[in-house]
Amino acid sequence: EPEVTQTPSHQVTQMGQEVILRCVPISNHLYFYWYRQILGQKVEFLVSFYNNEISEKSEIFDDQFSVERPDGSNFTLKIRSTKLEDSAMYFCASMGLDAGELFFGEGSRLTVL
Amino acid sequence: RKEVEQDPGPFNVPEGATVAFNCTYSNSASQSFFWYRQDCRKEPKLLMSVYSSGNEDGRFTAQLNRASQYISLLIRDSKLSDSATYLCVVNKGNDMRFGAGTRLTVKP
Repeated sequence: EPEVTQTPSHQVTQMGQEVILRCVPISNHLYFYWYRQILGQKVEFLVSFYNNEISEKSEIFDDQFSVERPDGSNFTLKIRSTKLEDSAMYFCASMGLDAGELFFGEGSRLTVL
Repeated sequence: RKEVEQDPGPFNVPEGATVAFNCTYSNSASQSFFWYRQDCRKEPKLLMSVYSSGNEDGRFTAQLNRASQYISLLIRDSKLSDSATYLCVVNKGNDMRFGAGTRLTVKP
């Protein structure tokens, strides 16, 4: 069964460092997303990406965040200068043209010290 | 008003009980509705879509009331394995918005 894969599964970084989280969405999907979940809290929308550009972003997705689809398969989330409050699980998701089910990766846990 | 609102629970029920979760959404233009399940420290996974006429999948029944902007999930004959957080998900255009989730614990 096709799946969304994310790397790394866990990253520990120092405050102020840059972090790149990587995702390989399901190959024939067209919509890509990043969500964030702080431990014990809700799943929060960060950004959606379609047709090689951001289609929507939340207020969480400020100037320190960026997304890129550098080739035909990877979809990355970059955090330029991490803060303590960026510590969370980051989920990548993709969706096909039917705009039905969102398929999630297993998440990348980011710990900022 | 929050885009998607759920009673956070927790709901603690004995095995075999019937339990119902409710969800309200603010965007009257929403067209797609889902219930996802999330186990502790895992990714959300689709439990079922919610259709206008209501739909059932085994022990699970989902209902939609567009007039009240309300979605429900009913779990009958609950099992220990149903213990999880249940997330109400509503589309906003091509994006999906999640409720905070309702935590269910089924006890022996």
